[in-house]
Amino acid sequence: GNSVTQMEGPVTLSEEAFLTINCTYTATGYPSLFWYVQYPGEGLQLLLKATKADDKGSNKGFEATYRKETTSFHLEKGSVQVSDSAVYFCAPPKGAGSYQLTFGKGTKLSVIP
Amino acid sequence: GAGVSQSPSNKVTEKGKDVELRCDPISGHTALYWYRQSLGQGLEFLIYFQGNSAPDKSGLPSDRFSAERTGGSVSTLTIQRTQQEDSAVYLCASSPAASGRADTQYFGPGTRLTVL
Repeated sequence: GNSVTQMEGPVTLSEEAFLTINCTYTATGYPSLFWYVQYPGEGLQLLLKATKADDKGSNKGFEATYRKETTSFHLEKGSVQVSDSAVYFCAPPKGAGSYQLTFGKGTKLSVIP
Repeated sequence: GAGVSQSPSNKVTEKGKDVELRCDPISGHTALYWYRQSLGQGLEFLIYFQGNSAPDKSGLPSDRFSAERTGGSVSTLTIQRTQQEDSAVYLCASSPAASGRADTQYFGPGTRLTVL
């Protein structure tokens, strides 16, 4: 099955800084890829997803491009805000045709004014 | 529509007691997942249901943990003879699982279990 390697945190950035959180995975097949976010005191929610190679998922100013050649799905945002402070999880499927997701360990982002 | 709901939201129990955690998935979602999240840690997969059957139970930490799903809907996670290391937030998620590939999982708010 797939495994995922996610950049470890914590990451602390100043407001308006550029954010990259790296995520690479071992893939069998060409799965859909997901980023989830957990804001302080809240449950996990989908941030964005990509369903095929070269597809770009985007939401709330965040973007991630499905790079088949490098098996990567790095999360980026050009200008972070304090409200982006959260834990971010990369989640590829467990395997080809699997409904299960394999969650990364999570990257805690803190954005300071 | 209604999202995934879990009950109770908080549970405090004494070591050695049994607990039951409940999950109501989104109506029509055939796949249901249980995870555990310890303080400051990532998600630990416990078990996955497709309909009422569990194709993957590999994440259950010990035989004290069991889960069932009835009517393709509600699921119950049971922990027998609780231990302090069982303290965590237990998360439930559901997904449509109708596309033949992984799709978005929708998470409930979790049950925070504290074993004294």
